[in-house]
Amino acid sequence: DGGITQSPKYLFRKEGQNVTLSCEQNLNHDAMYWYRQDPGQGLRLIYYSQIVNDFQKGDIAEGYSVSREKKESFPLTVTSAQKNPTAFYLCASSIVTGATNEKLFFGSGTQLSVL
Amino acid sequence: QKEVEQDPGPLSVPEGAIVSLNCTYSNSAFQYFMWYRQYSRKGPELLMYTYSSGNKEDGRFTAQVDKSSKYISLFIRDSQPSDSATYLCAMSDPGNYQLIWGAGTKLIIKP
Repeated sequence: DGGITQSPKYLFRKEGQNVTLSCEQNLNHDAMYWYRQDPGQGLRLIYYSQIVNDFQKGDIAEGYSVSREKKESFPLTVTSAQKNPTAFYLCASSIVTGATNEKLFFGSGTQLSVL
Repeated sequence: QKEVEQDPGPLSVPEGAIVSLNCTYSNSAFQYFMWYRQYSRKGPELLMYTYSSGNKEDGRFTAQVDKSSKYISLFIRDSQPSDSATYLCAMSDPGNYQLIWGAGTKLIIKP
């Protein structure tokens, strides 16, 4: 089955620690995205990538880093600089056809909490 | 003021009722309007996608866009307990594929 796989489902971070969230897709989509979801708020874009080896900051990129070495993979690192990392993190992908506003397909999310 | 406003609920209705979910927005350039459904601790899934104004129907779901009022709606007919979820609206303008999201409305359908 085609889809997006996020792991782990739950993750705990200690003070000063960097943690990495995994996102893999087998939909052959060019674009991939990371969103943060906090209770009572809409999804906020952290980073996105439209092509391998290229990515752009979203609205809340500070304290996060990404890489896009393979089309299928877009891992997100939450660094120690992110002082309020507790949130539900969602990875998404979409086809890039040259048109805007492509439909997003989401993974099941990772809940990150601080110990 | 947020670009997209959505009542967070919860909205609780009996099974079989017609449900109306709404979002208002401030950016008149928005042309693409979407409704996503999100079950608890899962990723959102696309329900309806509408370009510009008008209605779109898919089974029990109808999406309506009123650009003059900057108001979009999602109607669910014959609501079922399985429709209990959070419904997120999202929208964007041409040339800017970044979606702007509402906060989501939590819907509870009581058997």
